[in-house]
Amino acid sequence: EPEVTQTPSHQVTQMGQEVILRCVPISNHLYFYWYRQILGQKVEFLVSFYNNEISEKSEIFDDQFSVERPDGSNFTLKIRSTKLEDSAMYFCASKGGGATDTQYFGPGTRLTVL
Amino acid sequence: GNSVTQMEGPVTLSEEAFLTINCTYTATGYPSLFWYVQYPGEGLQLLLKATKADDKGSNKGFEATYRKETTSFHLEKGSVQVSDSAVYFCALRFAGGTSYGKLTFGQGTILTVHP
Repeated sequence: EPEVTQTPSHQVTQMGQEVILRCVPISNHLYFYWYRQILGQKVEFLVSFYNNEISEKSEIFDDQFSVERPDGSNFTLKIRSTKLEDSAMYFCASKGGGATDTQYFGPGTRLTVL
Repeated sequence: GNSVTQMEGPVTLSEEAFLTINCTYTATGYPSLFWYVQYPGEGLQLLLKATKADDKGSNKGFEATYRKETTSFHLEKGSVQVSDSAVYFCALRFAGGTSYGKLTFGQGTILTVHP
């Protein structure tokens, strides 16, 4: 069964450093998402991406964040200058083109900012 | 805004016990409702869904009914197994319009089932 994959599974970085989290969505999907979950809190929507552009973003997704689909298979989330409060589990998800299609999630990347 | 509230956890049960995890939502309009499950070390997996009022979603012995009048989507299972130990997330989504299908999640409920 096709699945969403994410790398790395765990990323440790120093405050102020840039990180790139990588995701490979399911190949024929058209919508792509990033969510995050700070330990002990809700899973929160960050951004959705469709037709090679951001379609919606939350207030969390400020200028420090960016997304890209550089080669038609990978979908990346970049955090330009990490803060301690960016420590969280980051989930990538993808969905087919139908309005009611299921979102499939990757296993997540745990980001720890020291 | 839209929001989802789940019962406080964690929930600890013995095998074969009855499970209920409460979920209520606040939304403008009529969203689709979902239960996702996260097993240790894995991503979120769709467990079941319902797209309109009075629909019942079911999968792997779990059920939930979309109740518009109480804005609820409680998860139930008649007899839990150790393998059901996981984190359960209730979520809502609007299809179409400007939402682009983003999910709004509850805080998750940790379920532990003992033999």
